[in-house]
Amino acid sequence: KAGVTQTPRYLIKTRGQQVTLSCSPISGHRSVSWYQQTPGQGLQFLFEYFSETQRNKGNFPGRFSGRQFSNSRSEMNVSTLELGDSALYLCASSSSYAIEQFFGPGTRLTVL
Amino acid sequence: DAKTTQPTSMDCAEGRAANLPCNHSTISGNEYVYWYRQIHSQGPQYIIHGLKNNETNEMASLIITEDRKSSTLILPHATLRDTAVYYCIVRVAPGSNYKLTFGKGTLLTVNP
Repeated sequence: KAGVTQTPRYLIKTRGQQVTLSCSPISGHRSVSWYQQTPGQGLQFLFEYFSETQRNKGNFPGRFSGRQFSNSRSEMNVSTLELGDSALYLCASSSSYAIEQFFGPGTRLTVL
Repeated sequence: DAKTTQPTSMDCAEGRAANLPCNHSTISGNEYVYWYRQIHSQGPQYIIHGLKNNETNEMASLIITEDRKSSTLILPHATLRDTAVYYCIVRVAPGSNYKLTFGKGTLLTVNP
C-alpha cells in the first residue's frame, strides 16, 4: 500500500509570491491534515479536510488556505509569502475514526 | 487537549531499554495518551496509544500510571535507528477531530 505522498519535496520562493503544495493520501483515507514545522514553533496544526470539507482549522492567518478534491487529494496554498513561512509542511492522512495518522515526508519551503 | 511535559533530551546505549517519561497531570477521563516519533527530516510516525491499561505492540510498550497523570514509553532494545524526537500527545479519541497538538518532545539519542 503506497504511503502519503507530497509534492514537491523542495521549493524555493521569494517574498510576495504564492505557493501551492500537494498531498495524496493513502488510498481509502478521507481525512487529510496539514501541519507546519519550524525550529522555533515546532509542529503546528494548520487545518484538516474530510470529504472535501474543512473540518478543523488551526490559528493561522487567512493567507493559508486549502482544499480537498473528490479523490481525497488535498492542496494547500500560501499567498503573499513571508520569510517566516519558511518551514517543513507536512500532510497526514487517516481513515474514519482511526487512531493512527500517517504522515508524508513533507515539503521543504524556503522563502527568500 | 491536556498539556504534556517531557524531558528535552535523553541518551540510551544501543541494545538497552529506552524509557521515555511523560507527565500529563491534567488529563481528562476520556483522553488517550499517544506517542509519535520523528526521525530527522521525516514525517512523524505513530508508535502506540493507550487509555488506562498498559499497551504493547511490535514497536514499544506504554505504561500508564494508575492515576493516569504520567506515562512511560519503553523501547525494549534500542537501536541506532531509534534516534529521533519522541512526542507524547494527550487527546480524545478521533471522531470529528484529527488535530494533533505536538509539544517540544524528547530527543532520544541512541549511542553505539
